[in-house]
Amino acid sequence: NAGVTQTPKFQVLKTGQSMTLQCAQDMNHEYMSWYRQDPGMGLRLIHYSVGAGITDQGEVPNGYNVSRSTTEDFPLRLLSAAPSQTSVYFCASSHSGTATDTQYFGPGTRLTVL
Amino acid sequence: ILNVEQSPQSLHVQEGDSTNFTCSFPSSNFYALHWYRWETAKSPEALFVMTLNGDEKKKGRISATLNTKEGYSYLYIKGSQPEDSATYLCACWGSARQLTFGSGTQLTVLP
Repeated sequence: NAGVTQTPKFQVLKTGQSMTLQCAQDMNHEYMSWYRQDPGMGLRLIHYSVGAGITDQGEVPNGYNVSRSTTEDFPLRLLSAAPSQTSVYFCASSHSGTATDTQYFGPGTRLTVL
Repeated sequence: ILNVEQSPQSLHVQEGDSTNFTCSFPSSNFYALHWYRWETAKSPEALFVMTLNGDEKKKGRISATLNTKEGYSYLYIKGSQPEDSATYLCACWGSARQLTFGSGTQLTVLP
């Protein structure tokens, strides 16, 4: 199993550009989520999905879109990048999104918006 | 959004010292408390998941306790080693099916 994979590892964007961060898992997990990590602030939830076709907002959803057309993939779209979106982005998945499920994290994508 | 706090923010200890950190969370609407270990340039990895008041978990030299009535959890490391250097995150699962993370305790173990 590859676990949770993310691409790209690094990305530099200009303000106003759009892009999609890819996330895939091969563990047949129902629950997937996106976090951003900023210095001194820990991991903050952007969006999550409890299964294919179902998504919901987390703590900091503004400026980001998600969709979940398959169980395996959960892409995160930046519609019009802003310098405030400079961060490290982590995708995570868990078996069924219950309170005791372990979250498995991808390797992260470091995004810089100029 | 739950308010999950961790202290201290950072900690330096000598090799062989034992140490502990604190995670505090709202005691109402509590479902589960997670601890993760996050090494630099890697992904967070799960250490423990705890749900019951008085729960204790242990993995080698690392252990954790949970008090859901007063809303805190302690993580203990016995005989710290340089390879224990990492950021330790706690996270609380609430009623919104979301994990809310604290900002972490960064541990540095000096040889």
